[in-house]
Amino acid sequence: AQSVTQLGSHVSVSEGALVLLRCNYSSSVPPYLFWYVQYPNQGLQLLLKYTSAATLVKGINGFEAEFKKSETSFHLTKPSAHMSDAAEYFCAVSDRASNYQLIWGAGTKLIIKP
Amino acid sequence: GAGVSQSPSNKVTEKGKDVELRCDPISGHTALYWYRQSLGQGLEFLIYFQGNSAPDKSGLPSDRFSAERTGGSVSTLTIQRTQQEDSAVYLCASSLDKNTEAFFGQGTRLTVV
Repeated sequence: AQSVTQLGSHVSVSEGALVLLRCNYSSSVPPYLFWYVQYPNQGLQLLLKYTSAATLVKGINGFEAEFKKSETSFHLTKPSAHMSDAAEYFCAVSDRASNYQLIWGAGTKLIIKP
Repeated sequence: GAGVSQSPSNKVTEKGKDVELRCDPISGHTALYWYRQSLGQGLEFLIYFQGNSAPDKSGLPSDRFSAERTGGSVSTLTIQRTQQEDSAVYLCASSLDKNTEAFFGQGTRLTVV
């Protein structure tokens, strides 16, 4: 069965530091991969998605993620954290085997220290 | 509409009462999802519609929960005889088709007292 694992329920970085949020998935067929962000008291917003084109995907707000098939990973990065990046980030996978239903990770709360 | 619209945005109800939550998806989106997000928790899948039919109801937590979608558009999630553990944010999402990204509404915050 498909699954998504996000390592670390909370990640804390200093403003200006590198952001790295980890996501590993399991899928028996080529997946679609997504990162969503949820700002406090708001709904989820798509950050970026991988759909079998370029393995390095650029999203909004300076975020990017790299699909690594050999590692079954889709980690989210941003070179320099900003206070406004404080939010919860969710990784999700869908594929033909799951009838393209989104399977979600548990989420990682990103905390930015001044 | 421009985005996924959910109503009400907040609902406080007494234990044992029934509640109806509404979701207006983006026009033309055939796939519609309901999720539940409890405080500090991730997303719990409830039900998925493709058009008016629900191929996957596996996430509904009990028979007190039901959902319908009419005209391939608006969906309602009904919770009967609410319990305190039903308190959560209920999120609706829609997508153009089952293999495209989902767009989320702002959610309905349900509090059962």
